Amino acid sequence: ETGVTQTPRHLVMGMTNKKSLKCEQHLGHNAMYWYKQSAKKPLELMFVYSLEERVENNSVPSRFSPECPNSSHLFLHLHTLQPEDSALYLCASSQEPQAHSRSTEAFFGQGTRLTVV
Amino acid sequence: DAKTTQPPSMDCAEGRAANLPCNHSTISGNEYVYWYRQIHSQGPQYIIHGLKNNETNEMASLIITEDRKSSTLILPHATLRDTAVYYCIVMGGATNKLIFGTGTLLAVQP
Repeated sequence: ETGVTQTPRHLVMGMTNKKSLKCEQHLGHNAMYWYKQSAKKPLELMFVYSLEERVENNSVPSRFSPECPNSSHLFLHLHTLQPEDSALYLCASSQEPQAHSRSTEAFFGQGTRLTVV
Repeated sequence: DAKTTQPPSMDCAEGRAANLPCNHSTISGNEYVYWYRQIHSQGPQYIIHGLKNNETNEMASLIITEDRKSSTLILPHATLRDTAVYYCIVMGGATNKLIFGTGTLLAVQP
């Protein structure tokens, strides 16, 4: 148990469906992240939220829409996905550094295994 | 845009020390070396990090060369449960994001 909880653990959706992935952390962290891990590929950073503001969007298609309503929750809204979007989606949180200090280690959830049919 | 180089795979006998190397020749003075591992189909797990001194915790030891261009993660007594992909990541300063490369697949053999 890392303190970062992702739901659901498994999701199968059709290409016309709308679904949402949820991530929750109660570690008091101020930064949250979405990663995508396709089969046999490295983790790809998708989105970064710091202090509930999106600070990074790594050229992710608009069919993926993140939402961070507060510092403890992060969502990834999915709409009109393609089969190639099937992957393990991982959420992480960390404490972003203040001036002259380093970031703390990141804690990851167990991921949501998404299959698009 | 990973800034590290690791061998793609390594084997280790159960009970022996596993030494995983990492090259980070372009590391800058305010960047840290972090190690994470990912057991199959789980989220990555933090192991250890360091700046320039060697570090040890309950999981592993981290040896960083004096010029900081390379490091070695040491699992002193590897078990079958240590079989995982190990990632060496440079982070800090202007690069304050966890960017994963391909890592090293460590297979601990019985």
